[in-house]
Amino acid sequence: DSGVTQTPKHLITATGQRVTLRCSPRSGDLSVYWYQQSLDQGLQFLIQYYNGEERAKGNILERFSAQQFPDLHSELNLSSLELGDSALYFCASSSRLAGTDTQYFGPGTRLTVL
Amino acid sequence: AQSVTQLGSHVSVSEGALVLLRCNYSSSVPPYLFWYVQYPNQGLQLLLKYTSAATLVKGINGFEAEFKKSETSFHLTKPSAHMSDAAEYFCAVSDRGDDKIIFGKGTRLHILP
Repeated sequence: DSGVTQTPKHLITATGQRVTLRCSPRSGDLSVYWYQQSLDQGLQFLIQYYNGEERAKGNILERFSAQQFPDLHSELNLSSLELGDSALYFCASSSRLAGTDTQYFGPGTRLTVL
Repeated sequence: AQSVTQLGSHVSVSEGALVLLRCNYSSSVPPYLFWYVQYPNQGLQLLLKYTSAATLVKGINGFEAEFKKSETSFHLTKPSAHMSDAAEYFCAVSDRGDDKIIFGKGTRLHILP
């Protein structure tokens, strides 16, 4: 158990809908990262927040957004969902910034868009 | 921009044999390098990381990796494979001072009895 929790574990929804994925980092970790894992794209970095502020952006679509709240939990919002958004979404946390800091991954949320 | 190439999307080795998973990186500045493992239906777990101390890095579960700047490589090895090593392995790179990690496409390791 990494100490990072993600809810829900599974999510099934229809095209055009909007969903919210939630992540609680390890106690004391200030950084939260979001990743998308799919068969064709592999593991893609989406976005990072550090202590409530956006810190780095990767291959995140405009239909996707995220935020980190004062209690440090984070939410990833996916809207106007398409079939291709079906994937595993991972959250990771670290105590400070990337580089030397180890990222601890949650168990993931499996999103299925029908 | 940094990138990672993992040679071989699938590797099969016999139980007790040497495990060698290959990773080459591209980075314009001295990198941090990582190996992560993903067991079925789980998130990723850090095996080991290189941050410019010793070039030979020892990780968990008997794995180690050697940073070779001249070859821009960071291959992962384990002297004797166990059935429990069957998983997907990801090599990753982060430029110093950068906040994001770039992952390779992964190598699925199969252990043959």
